[in-house]
Amino acid sequence: DAKTTQPPSMDCAEGRAANLPCNHSTISGNEYVYWYRQIHSQGPQYIIHGLKNNETNEMASLIITEDRKSSTLILPHATLRDTAVYYCIVRVGTGGGNKLTFGTGTQLKVEL
Amino acid sequence: DAGITQSPRHKVTETGTPVTLRCHQTENHRYMYWYRQDPGHGLRLIHYSYGVKDTDKGEVSDGYSVSRSKTEDFLLTLESATSSQTSVYFCATLAGVTDTQYFGPGTRLTVL
Repeated sequence: DAKTTQPPSMDCAEGRAANLPCNHSTISGNEYVYWYRQIHSQGPQYIIHGLKNNETNEMASLIITEDRKSSTLILPHATLRDTAVYYCIVRVGTGGGNKLTFGTGTQLKVEL
Repeated sequence: DAGITQSPRHKVTETGTPVTLRCHQTENHRYMYWYRQDPGHGLRLIHYSYGVKDTDKGEVSDGYSVSRSKTEDFLLTLESATSSQTSVYFCATLAGVTDTQYFGPGTRLTVL
């Protein structure tokens, strides 16, 4: 699986959009970008994933650059409950044997 | 969530004793995983299962064994616990439709 690079920490004001970047310059054509988050002491929570098109769900939006070498997770209106570690993961999308490789992620702190 | 429960949620044990952690799921997912999480290492895959009685090793499988006699249950056994196995253990299942992993709440294991 391709390696990802994320900033170790970011701050965001409550109510503002949080934009979390991820670089994955060695991504292959059949690899998806997944985002998970982990709120302190809880199990990781799936947020969103995509291959090459931008994606949106009730939690967030995922913007993938045209060359697929980077992506941005957008939380449109961050709240204090969004404070968590956010993981960007690249993996082949199909097949349960393709494990998730978690790096150290980005610690997002949402403040008043 | 994907109907995943883990038991026990917390356990303290002594070096050399056997320990079994249980993961139970209610969604009839085929794939199940055991991860451990330690400071500075993110989540690392221990073992996974792709069906009843079908299991395979992950990246940190030494000292662990697993069993899956029923679709809903995936057991992780430490035959002789060591202090290096003090960790938080997460179970996950794979939702086939979206090919995403969903995690349980975790078990915090302390080996004295």
